[in-house]
Amino acid sequence: GENVEQHPSTLSVQEGDSAVIKCTYSDSASNYFPWYKQELGKRPQLIIDIRSNVGEKKDQRIAVTLNKTAKHFSLHITETQPEDSAVYFCAAKVSNYQLIWGAGTKLIIKP
Amino acid sequence: GAVVSQHPSRVICKSGTSVKIECRSLDFQATTMFWYRQFPKQSLMLMATSNEGSKATYEQGVEKDKFLINHASLTLSTLTVTSAHPEDSSFYICSARDASGGHEQYFGPGTRLTVT
Repeated sequence: GENVEQHPSTLSVQEGDSAVIKCTYSDSASNYFPWYKQELGKRPQLIIDIRSNVGEKKDQRIAVTLNKTAKHFSLHITETQPEDSAVYFCAAKVSNYQLIWGAGTKLIIKP
Repeated sequence: GAVVSQHPSRVICKSGTSVKIECRSLDFQATTMFWYRQFPKQSLMLMATSNEGSKATYEQGVEKDKFLINHASLTLSTLTVTSAHPEDSSFYICSARDASGGHEQYFGPGTRLTVT
């Protein structure tokens, strides 16, 4: 079946540095790739998404890149801040608008 | 913006009893709602896709007779955990897709279920 692999599982960066999280997907028909931030005990929060007809999208300190040929997409956070600490999930849309989720990355911002 | 509510936020029940969780889209109509389960330090696991007016589609390994889903209106879907056992203790989250279009799923705040 379809799956999404996400790496790394844990990422620790110094405050102010950049963080990159990578995902690969298996379903070539996927055309929508959201990224979610989840804080402990709370709902996932959409932080950025990208559609398959676009290679890159940026929103202030956050950017997502998509390589359809390689079935890779990545989240880039620049100038990291303590409030960026959370678990980040990538996902890929498959049939019936279902999302297949990555395993998550725990991002730790060291002061 | 699109808001999804979920009730209750927390519930503790005894083993063998049933628990109903409600998921409502407050300011939009949702033809499709999704139910997820999330265990500690794990990703969201899709349990079922709920379409208004029709039977839910369950993911492999999810017992449809144990997790009853009803999507009777465009703004409400319910998940009933029947004969709950301690291993059903988890964080249950619903999401909804706006019937007017778009890919985004809007998430409820989740329900923490503890079965004693």
